[in-house]
Amino acid sequence: GQNIDQPTEMTATEGAIVQINCTYQTSGFNGLFWYQQHAGEAPTFLSYNVLDGLEEKGRFSSFLSRSKGYSYLLLKELQMKDSASYLCAVRDSNYQLIWGAGTKLIIKP
Amino acid sequence: TAGITQAPTSQILAAGRSMTLRCTQDMRHNAMYWYRQDLGLGLRLIHYSNTAGTTGKGEVPDGYSVSRANTDDFPLTLASAVPSQTSVYFCASSFLAGGGNEQFFGPGTRLTVL
Repeated sequence: GQNIDQPTEMTATEGAIVQINCTYQTSGFNGLFWYQQHAGEAPTFLSYNVLDGLEEKGRFSSFLSRSKGYSYLLLKELQMKDSASYLCAVRDSNYQLIWGAGTKLIIKP
Repeated sequence: TAGITQAPTSQILAAGRSMTLRCTQDMRHNAMYWYRQDLGLGLRLIHYSNTAGTTGKGEVPDGYSVSRANTDDFPLTLASAVPSQTSVYFCASSFLAGGGNEQFFGPGTRLTVL
């Protein structure tokens, strides 16, 4: 079966750094996406990885290791507005996205 | 531009009734998708369309049907609603189905089936 695992909830302090992990087992791999979803809103795209390594985009970075079936999203200089759920999704061999249940990130002042 | 819109925003529906959730995008995206999101679960794909005139079944297609008569519209129909279809429904689109093409999401429809 196909499976995407993420921690259910994480707490971090404003101004700090947090790493959200994602492990996956899917039928094929055609890229990994991270999305942000604020409560009651639609998911919005953050990052895309298809090759191993780190992709940096401002305060957010995403890392991929295909051999380990592992990715992480790194958020630096945390702000209160970063309080949201972070969704990991893998594009499988049928080019469909398989989604994790999301990690709810709580930022404390 | 509006991007991707959904209607209605929310709806309470009696079990056994039918309903169509509407989705329209103005980005000229080829691919469109319908997902449902339930607490504690990831987004689950109901149906998808890689291009106008074609549709495919996702992970949870039973009880739902779709059509893609043109590029812009991708309605989702519940023929005879059941309480287990209570969920938040998101429509999404992407320029193409593969590669690094990100999916853009509509604001969602919150459906309650009683």
